[in-house]
Amino acid sequence: AQTVTQSQPEMSVQEAETVTLSCTYDTSESDYYLFWYKQPPSRQMILVIRQEAYKQQNATENRFSVNFQKAAKSFSLKISDSQLGDAAMYFCAYRSAALMDSNYQLIWGAGTKLIIKP
Amino acid sequence: DSGVTQTPKHLITATGQRVTLRCSPRSGDLSVYWYQQSLDQGLQFLIQYYNGEERAKGNILERFSAQQFPDLHSELNLSSLELGDSALYFCASSVEPRLLREQYFGPGTRLTVT
Repeated sequence: AQTVTQSQPEMSVQEAETVTLSCTYDTSESDYYLFWYKQPPSRQMILVIRQEAYKQQNATENRFSVNFQKAAKSFSLKISDSQLGDAAMYFCAYRSAALMDSNYQLIWGAGTKLIIKP
Repeated sequence: DSGVTQTPKHLITATGQRVTLRCSPRSGDLSVYWYQQSLDQGLQFLIQYYNGEERAKGNILERFSAQQFPDLHSELNLSSLELGDSALYFCASSVEPRLLREQYFGPGTRLTVT
């Protein structure tokens, strides 16, 4: 079974600085998808960025980028120019790409609480 | 706004009671997923429906059940509630699970069992 691990329960960063959140996963599959979701105090779950395992190029969305290391099974999120609105819980999630109905669920890490210091 | 709606937003009930949580997926989405998030924890997958049929089950208790109706809205029924069932329950939807399409999440229903 696949697992997702976020080893940093909490991280803090100064406003305008850069922070990296870590995520590792365990899988025997070769094709899968990885996601970072943000959960602000409102509790809404918001997709930040996604990465297809077959793509070597790291995904980027504005100030958010990932460092995807497939061999190391590592998927970290880098937030540049941190803003107060980035304060939230960040969850890493895995989804299989295998064409089986039971594989379409997202498997989640425990989350990292990001604190932005003004 | 993700386009996924969930009602009610908050629910407070007593142990032993039964509640129903409702979810309406985004227009055009055929697949609905239910997740449970206990306090300060990650999400746990409960169950998935696609076009009215159950497709996958996760860590869903026997006291819990769900269904998806012909208009594609879904209901999650929780019975014989226990204190440990207090959590945030999310519904998510996607177009077709076989395609890589993001799961869009509703705002959640916060259930408090007293």
